[in-house]
Amino acid sequence: ETGVTQTPRHLVMGMTNKKSLKCEQHLGHNAMYWYKQSAKKPLELMFVYSLEERVENNSVPSRFSPECPNSSHLFLHLHTLQPEDSALYLCASSQGAADRELETQYFGPGTRLLVL
Amino acid sequence: GDSVTQMEGPVTLSEEAFLTINCTYTATGYPSLFWYVQYPGEGLQLLLKATKADDKGSNKGFEATYRKETTSFHLEKGSVQVSDSAVYFCALINYDYKLSFGAGTTVTVRA
Repeated sequence: ETGVTQTPRHLVMGMTNKKSLKCEQHLGHNAMYWYKQSAKKPLELMFVYSLEERVENNSVPSRFSPECPNSSHLFLHLHTLQPEDSALYLCASSQGAADRELETQYFGPGTRLLVL
Repeated sequence: GDSVTQMEGPVTLSEEAFLTINCTYTATGYPSLFWYVQYPGEGLQLLLKATKADDKGSNKGFEATYRKETTSFHLEKGSVQVSDSAVYFCALINYDYKLSFGAGTTVTVRA
């Protein structure tokens, strides 16, 4: 596979469930990101990892827990979510270097999450 | 902080019409500018980018020129097709790694 892949593509969960979203990048990049896209809201940056270290937590509630075991994989662990957490969750990656030509972020197809 | 403002949609056009989506930004220094496109049910795809003033990004018949004097990066296409129906996002990245997105413009092209 090429590019950035995300699984599952669709997820329905109850408020008491625990689930995980997975992202994998096949681009040899060093930085990975989680974004949330809600209806009628701008894209929200949630987390940033660079070289497997978290460098940004954009005031995200603790019911979202990211994990980056290596530079190719990124997870978002979900527990006790609320209905307002229903959204499209997008993963992205970039080279992570300071060179402007290498900072472009490439996105996966997203996971459509519905919390009941 | 940095911000991006793009024209509100929705925009509805006929095939072969000319498309312009306005985008202006507020940022310190010299950000890189991007247009992303999101087709129905999919994630964001990079459409084009420009990293310095007067650069023109182009792809799939779309063009945008980085205008520092007007802090703009307007997207244009001379002849749209039904397959161009999507949501278009203008974005910038500055000295850090954070992408700042506009609100998105929904474009519908009718046959």
